[in-house]
Amino acid sequence: AIRMTQSPSSFSASTGDRVTITCRASQSVGSFLTWYQQKPGTAPKLLIYAASTLQSGVPSRFSGSGSGTDFTLTISRLQSEDFAAYYCQQYYSYPITFGQGTRLDIK
Amino acid sequence: EVQLVESGGGLVQPGGSLRLSCADSEFTFSSYWMNWVRQAPGKGLEWVANIKQDGSEKYYVDSVKGRFTISRDNAKNSLYLQMNSLRAEDTAVYYCARGSTFDIWGQGTMVTVSS
Repeated sequence: AIRMTQSPSSFSASTGDRVTITCRASQSVGSFLTWYQQKPGTAPKLLIYAASTLQSGVPSRFSGSGSGTDFTLTISRLQSEDFAAYYCQQYYSYPITFGQGTRLDIK
Repeated sequence: EVQLVESGGGLVQPGGSLRLSCADSEFTFSSYWMNWVRQAPGKGLEWVANIKQDGSEKYYVDSVKGRFTISRDNAKNSLYLQMNSLRAEDTAVYYCARGSTFDIWGQGTMVTVSS
């Protein structure tokens, strides 16, 4: 199985900050990578698919980049509603696997 | 607005069975791969299984192979997960999610395996 490793696992930031979360795959997944946001007690929400394509309705402050094994999710200016957990996921091969998650808290 | 609604969760003893359902309000249900994803309390997301549009292909995570069966009824816009030989480690919120990019998720249904 392809292992997805996110960093950091958690961190604190302030509203208005620029934030980058990284995701590394144990082998190439091409661009078959998605990013999700999850708030406590709710289902995950798709943010980015195909590594860099913004899902419809997602604010443009979110962006994704990368291919192969190294990927990043960037939030250009944190808003209060962005404090949540973020997960990357590869859908290049089975089993589909998620990163362990990154929890973003208010500083 | 497309909605997925899961049902069928509950408390079951180890070794028991449950059948989860996921109903899709959208008439294009039959056009999508469908997935089950679970999340143990306080843990991350784990993909469980998926099924092709016509049901001809099914894939599972190793930990549920031989115990769980995914199926669908396109006439009823419904997805199912039959879970047998349940273990404590299967305790989780189970979500259904649409398509290869999981663009729509249900609200989840809680499965608790405990004696």
